[in-house]
Amino acid sequence: DVKVTQSSRYLVKRTGEKVFLECVQDMDHENMFWYRQDPGLGLRLIYFSYDVKMKEKGDIPEGYSVSREKKERFSLILESASTNQTSMYLCASSFGGTGTDTQYFGPGTRLTVL
Amino acid sequence: GENVEQHPSTLSVQEGDSAVIKCTYSDSASNYFPWYKQELGKRPQLIIDIRSNVGEKKDQRIAVTLNKTAKHFSLHITETQPEDSAVYFCAASVSSNTGKLIFGQGTTLQVKP
Repeated sequence: DVKVTQSSRYLVKRTGEKVFLECVQDMDHENMFWYRQDPGLGLRLIYFSYDVKMKEKGDIPEGYSVSREKKERFSLILESASTNQTSMYLCASSFGGTGTDTQYFGPGTRLTVL
Repeated sequence: GENVEQHPSTLSVQEGDSAVIKCTYSDSASNYFPWYKQELGKRPQLIIDIRSNVGEKKDQRIAVTLNKTAKHFSLHITETQPEDSAVYFCAASVSSNTGKLIFGQGTTLQVKP
C-alpha cells in the first residue's frame, strides 16, 4: 500500500512566523503535490514536483515555496505566515510518467495562523 | 486557464435512491478523469477513474460516464447507503502530461437513513 505521511495533523502558528510542512511518501513516486483545501473551493494546487530538485508553480503559489532535496520528501514553506493561509494542507504523490496516474493523499495538516 | 466545474455543491438523498454528480472541464486535451471520496476527517481516496478512450466504467454501485464532445463527465451512485455520505471531488488531467490534476469544487453528499 502507498503510504503518504505528513509531519503534523494540527499546527497553530503566529502571523509572521516561518512554517514548514513536511510530506513523505514511501513508494518511490516521481511526482509530489501540495494542495490547499478550503470549503467550496475544492483542492487547489500550490506547487508540484516531478523530480528531485524540480518544482513547478500551481494555481496559488503566492506566499509559498517548496523544497525537494530527496525523492521521498516534499516540503512546503510559508515564508511569513498570514491569517489568510489558515487552511487544510494536503500532500499527494503519484508514480509519474504517464499523466494518468492515481494521486495518493496524505492525512492533511490543519494550519491555523493567529 | 484550465478549469473544472462541479455540480451540485450539496446533494441530499434518501437511502436506496440514486445520486448523480456532474463535472465539466475546459481543456480539450484532458484524457484522465478520476473521482475522489473524502469522508469526514479523512484523506481523499480514489474511488473510480476513466480515461478518454472509454465512454463508461462501472464498479459495483458506482459508475462514471464521459462525453468528450461535450466535455463533461458524471459520477452515478446507485442504491445509496449512509456510508456513501462524504465529499466527492472530480478532477481532470491537464494537457502538459505532468500528472497534474485540476479538481472540481466538491459535492457534499448526504444519504439519509
